[in-house]
Amino acid sequence: SQTIHQWPATLVQPVGSPLSLECTVEGTSNPNLYWYRQAAGRGLQLLFYSVGIGQISSEVPQNLSASRPQDRQFILSSKKLLLSDSGFYLCAWTSGRASDTQYFGPGTRLTVL
Amino acid sequence: GQNIDQPTEMTATEGAIVQINCTYQTSGFNGLFWYQQHAGEAPTFLSYNVLDGLEEKGRFSSFLSRSKGYSYLLLKELQMKDSASYLCAVINSNYQLIWGAGTKLIIKP
Repeated sequence: SQTIHQWPATLVQPVGSPLSLECTVEGTSNPNLYWYRQAAGRGLQLLFYSVGIGQISSEVPQNLSASRPQDRQFILSSKKLLLSDSGFYLCAWTSGRASDTQYFGPGTRLTVL
Repeated sequence: GQNIDQPTEMTATEGAIVQINCTYQTSGFNGLFWYQQHAGEAPTFLSYNVLDGLEEKGRFSSFLSRSKGYSYLLLKELQMKDSASYLCAVINSNYQLIWGAGTKLIIKP
């Protein structure tokens, strides 16, 4: 069966510090991978998605970036965090067919102070 | 533009039935999802509808009318553990997943 991991689970970072969040998927190959952010009490905002190694599409211009160095690894980064980057970051995967169900990792709660 | 509308919050009583509505205006349609999200946790998949009609899964059912751009999630025999947010999401013609803001369901004893 497929499993998706995210770490860390929680993170408190000062404004201006760098960020690296990691997501890995097990039990599947060539997944589509997604990064979302959810502000408190709000819906999901798609940040990035990837259909393959090195292929990243950005949905929202911001100070975040994403990379996919391996087939089942997806990394979200920032060089300098802003207060507005606080939120719940979720990684998701699908099997590669666009209409497939998205399955989410446990998420990372980021607080920028 | 594309948007999905859901009520922000609903309250229901344990043991009762509740219907959560979702209306959508998207560029095309390739399916509709319902997810459950407990506070502080990730969303979990509940149902997928692509054809008109009712899909039943135990206590949960989901209905779709493509001509009306409308879906609902029906929860029967409510339990306290059903207190959560329920997210509606639609796949458009470009296979983008458009998310609603979610409906927070509060269950009272």
